Amino acid sequence: DGGITQSPKYLFRKEGQNVTLSCEQNLNHDAMYWYRQDPGQGLRLIYYSQIVNDFQKGDIAEGYSVSREKKESFPLTVTSAQKNPTAFYLCASSILEGTGELFFGEGSRLTVL
Amino acid sequence: RKEVEQDPGPFNVPEGATVAFNCTYSNSASQSFFWYRQDCRKEPKLLMSVYSSGNEDGRFTAQLNRASQYISLLIRDSKLSDSATYLCVVNGDYKLSFGAGTTVTVRA
Repeated sequence: DGGITQSPKYLFRKEGQNVTLSCEQNLNHDAMYWYRQDPGQGLRLIYYSQIVNDFQKGDIAEGYSVSREKKESFPLTVTSAQKNPTAFYLCASSILEGTGELFFGEGSRLTVL
Repeated sequence: RKEVEQDPGPFNVPEGATVAFNCTYSNSASQSFFWYRQDCRKEPKLLMSVYSSGNEDGRFTAQLNRASQYISLLIRDSKLSDSATYLCVVNGDYKLSFGAGTTVTVRA
């Protein structure tokens, strides 16, 4: 079955540690995205990528980094510079960048202890 | 002002009831509109696109009012399985903006 796989599903980290969230898709989609969801707020875009080896900052990129070395993979690193990293992180992909139909992974819930 | 605003609810309705709720958006140049459904602690999934003339998908009806800059979702004959949070998504200038969601709880 085609889809998006995120891992880990749950992650705990200590303050000052970097963590990397994995996102893999086998839908052959060009565009991939990382969103952050906090209670009572809409999804906020962290980074997005339209093509391999290229990505753009979203609305809340500070404290995060990404790479897009392969079409299928778009990992997100939450660095120690991110002041409030506890959140639900969602990876998504779409056929074309900017269209409304996004396919989401199951999400990664990060808790900073 | 938020780009997309929704009444958070919750809307508590009995099975079989009709429930409707709106979403307002601030960018008058917005081009396309969507409703997503999100179950508790799960990922969002596309429920339906919203077309200018309004559209139905089974028990779900979506409407767009460009003059007043809002979209609506109506659920007829509510089922227990309709309990979820419904996210409004607006595409303006190729940027998607998400509402915080409206929670619907259908009770037996």
